[in-house]
Amino acid sequence: GGIITQTPKFLIGQEGQKLTLKCQQNFNHDTMYWYRQDSGKGLRLIYYSITENDLQKGDLSEGYDASREKKSSFSLTVTSAQKNEMAVFLCASSIGGGTYEQYFGPGTRLTVL
Amino acid sequence: GQQVEQSPASLVLQEGENAELQCTYSTTLNSMQWFYQRPGGRLVSLLYSPSWAEQRGGRLTSSAASNESRSSLHISSSQITDSGTYLCAPNSAGNKLTFGIGTRVLVRP
Repeated sequence: GGIITQTPKFLIGQEGQKLTLKCQQNFNHDTMYWYRQDSGKGLRLIYYSITENDLQKGDLSEGYDASREKKSSFSLTVTSAQKNEMAVFLCASSIGGGTYEQYFGPGTRLTVL
Repeated sequence: GQQVEQSPASLVLQEGENAELQCTYSTTLNSMQWFYQRPGGRLVSLLYSPSWAEQRGGRLTSSAASNESRSSLHISSSQITDSGTYLCAPNSAGNKLTFGIGTRVLVRP
């Protein structure tokens, strides 16, 4: 088996701040994903990457950047945090594309003051 | 794009009862994945089905109707520890899953 870790677990930022979230997986999976989970809404895809150095925009990419530095890691940057923003950011990985089973990390909970 | 609806929105069960959770979607199905999440907890993959295959895992069964855009998750002999939110995520094509909002389940003793 494998595991996905996300850091930090909790992130508190200020309005306008640039914030970076990190994700590591040891499944040796090719594809990695970043989702945003808001209360009362389904998970929304922000970015995904099908291999090292690849980036694909999801439905919610505006206001975010991503970086797939190596196969095992995928970072997400909030380019300018919005005041009173609260959400959980979830990282996932799969062996291939969307038709394959996805495994999720524990999440990073963002609060913007 | 893909539209996903889950029903019921919430469900209360007496321990030992069976339940059926529904997931409807707007396009054809390549695969279906069901997840479980406790408040503040990680999304845990329960069942994964490529295309229309029925999948079983312990007290859980996932099935899909090939002529309807609908899948079901059956929970048999519910336990208190089954309480939480169940999310479906169909894949119609490409690299994306589309998630429903979930069914919140409470199992009472």
